[in-house]
Amino acid sequence: QSVLTQPPSVSGAPGQRVTISCTGSSSNIGADYDVHWYQQFPGAAPKLLIYVNSNRPSGVPDRFSAYKSGTSASLDITGLQAEDEADYYCQSYDSSLSGLKLFGGGTKLTVL
Amino acid sequence: QVQLQESGPGLVKPSGTLSLTCDVSGGSISSSYWWSWVRQTPGKGLEWIGEIYHSGSINYNPSLKSRVTISVDKSKNQFSLRLSSVTAADTAVYYCAREFDYNYFDFWGQGTLVTVSS
Repeated sequence: QSVLTQPPSVSGAPGQRVTISCTGSSSNIGADYDVHWYQQFPGAAPKLLIYVNSNRPSGVPDRFSAYKSGTSASLDITGLQAEDEADYYCQSYDSSLSGLKLFGGGTKLTVL
Repeated sequence: QVQLQESGPGLVKPSGTLSLTCDVSGGSISSSYWWSWVRQTPGKGLEWIGEIYHSGSINYNPSLKSRVTISVDKSKNQFSLRLSSVTAADTAVYYCAREFDYNYFDFWGQGTLVTVSS
């Protein structure tokens, strides 16, 4: 079980909006450490999707947005497209013994 | 554009040592970045293994620390991973990645599957 908790799966129809949550604790997200998000397609390496809580790297559509509040963070995907179907992971830093760099357990996004 | 490429044996016997190398191209490993190893077990999520800076500073995941060694070879522009006393639970895709600002992973290798089996 990951220290950063994500729902195992979410789904939505094309054009809809989905939100993926990432719940941490006072030793990671709640300690004001940054949250980052990665997108991973089957058989491929993770790709940086959002960095430092809400910033998109060049080339990432503005349909993807994220925010952080308290001990949680969320990734929003609006105008859902078939090519968004992938696994999504949050990542942060932890000051406890559970590890310096943490990943969430991942969320499988299915576009219906 | 930085590129990373993992290499090493795809099959390791139980109780043996897993050894992987990450070749960095398009940039110097001596630049101001940390370099990490991350693994992903089949059907499971991502696990950070450890990181190294070109100066030799190293941090390891506490859950693996007793078995992990990460090193850097600046002359070859590469860094390496050794994981000892492996079991089937160490079967995974191993990725090397560059860390930006000691914070997030902005470039990743394509990953290499290592299977632990006799």
